Amino acid sequence: QSVLTQPPSVSEAPRQRVTISCSGSSSNIGNNAVNWYQQLPGKAPKFVIYYDDLLPSGVSDRFSGSKSGTSASLAISGLQSEDEADYYCAAWDDRLNGVVFGGGTKLTVL
Amino acid sequence: QLQLQESGPGLVKPSETLSLTCTVSGGSISSSSYYWGWIRQPPGKGLEWIGSIYYSGSTYYNPSLKSRVTISVDTSKKQFSLKVSAVTAADTAVYYCARGRESYRGAFFDYWGQGTLVTVSS
Repeated sequence: QSVLTQPPSVSEAPRQRVTISCSGSSSNIGNNAVNWYQQLPGKAPKFVIYYDDLLPSGVSDRFSGSKSGTSASLAISGLQSEDEADYYCAAWDDRLNGVVFGGGTKLTVL
Repeated sequence: QLQLQESGPGLVKPSETLSLTCTVSGGSISSSSYYWGWIRQPPGKGLEWIGSIYYSGSTYYNPSLKSRVTISVDTSKKQFSLKVSAVTAADTAVYYCARGRESYRGAFFDYWGQGTLVTVSS
């Protein structure tokens, strides 16, 4: 059971927009920055959003992040087949004194 | 371009100690701007943070693994290492090493190794 809660899977058609939610508590998301990682099949994770809503250099601006209270979201617009991957949210947890990950969300582009 | 490469045995016997090394190239391992971490992923499952080591030498471990884990750094070799003692089949996973960046806003892992599969089996 992960400390951060994500839906196991989401799916959407190409060129549409999808959002992936990440729910936590005051000891993690509520008090610390959220980061999002994309893991393509058979590959290492790659950060696509950091500090809640910042886009790393080289990552498509179709990706965006937001946070409100103890929940965060990753949005991907103009979906492409190359976006099919597992997505993980992560944050520092003050109570556990460590990094916690969400269980991951598998994105399928229909 | 910074690169991280994990190395170590791919097969470990139950009750023994798993030892992995991460070699850093293309950048400094001694900068106070960064820290170094280990994350693992059991087959077909999600990511689990194992622990991190900072420039100061401070370490933070996942509470669920703390009693069995040690992370250390050898700056002269540009390597950091992971040891997990008394392993069981539940420790079978792909193990990733990663570089962390930290600021007043928070922390995240910006560079990851390709990962190495460690299987615990007799």
